Amino acid sequence: SQTIHQWPATLVQPVGSPLSLECTVEGTSNPNLYWYRQAAGRGLQLLFYSVGIGQISSEVPQNLSASRPQDRQFILSSKKLLLSDSGFYLCAWSETASGSWNEQFFGPGTRLTVL
Amino acid sequence: DAKTTQPNSMESNEEEPVHLPCNHSTISGTDYIHWYRQLPSQGPEYVIHGLTSNVNNRMASLAIAEDRKSSTLILHRATLRDAAVYYCILLNTGGFKTIFGAGTRLFVKA
Repeated sequence: SQTIHQWPATLVQPVGSPLSLECTVEGTSNPNLYWYRQAAGRGLQLLFYSVGIGQISSEVPQNLSASRPQDRQFILSSKKLLLSDSGFYLCAWSETASGSWNEQFFGPGTRLTVL
Repeated sequence: DAKTTQPNSMESNEEEPVHLPCNHSTISGTDYIHWYRQLPSQGPEYVIHGLTSNVNNRMASLAIAEDRKSSTLILHRATLRDAAVYYCILLNTGGFKTIFGAGTRLFVKA
C-alpha cells in the first residue's frame, strides 16, 4: 500500500532563517506531487506541483521554492523565512495524470511558525 | 478558474443523514467534482469524486445535478467521527489548478 511521510511535524523558526520541509511517498511510481499551504482557519492554497523528477511548477509567486530530486521525494525550501510563511504545509500525491483530477492523498502536514 | 460555494457550517444529529451542498456554476466539461474532509490538525482525506453520474462508495454518496452546476455530498448516517470541514473542489483533466475554498464545517450532535 502507498504511504506518504512528511517531516518535521512541527517547526518554529525565526524570521530570516532558511527552511527545508521534506515529503516522501512509498508504494507508487512516478506520482504527481503537490505542496499546499493552509493558513489558520482557511482553505488550502496550492503552492507547487510536480509531474516528474526535476519538473516543478509554481502556482503563486512567493518566498518559497520546491525541488524533486528523486521520483518520490518532494522538498519545500526557503532561503529566508517571512512572518507570512507561517502555516500548515501539506504534501500530497496522486497517480500520474495530465491533470490533477485523480484522487489526492495527503500527508500529515508540517505546522510552521515563524517568529 | 471555476470555483465552488459552500455554506460555512452545518449541524446534524448523530445517526441522521446529512446533505452537504456545493455550487459550482462555472464548472467546465473537464472538471471533476471532488470532496475531501479535514479533521483538526490533519491533512485532508479523500471522500468521493465524480464527473456526471451519481457515485456511491463506502464513505458517502455524491449526487450531481444534471447541469453539473451543483452537487451534494450525502452522509447516510452521521457519526461523531464525521465532524470535520468538508471541501468541495474541482479538479481538471487538463491542468493542475486546485482551489480549496473555506469548506463547510459539519457539527454532529450526539
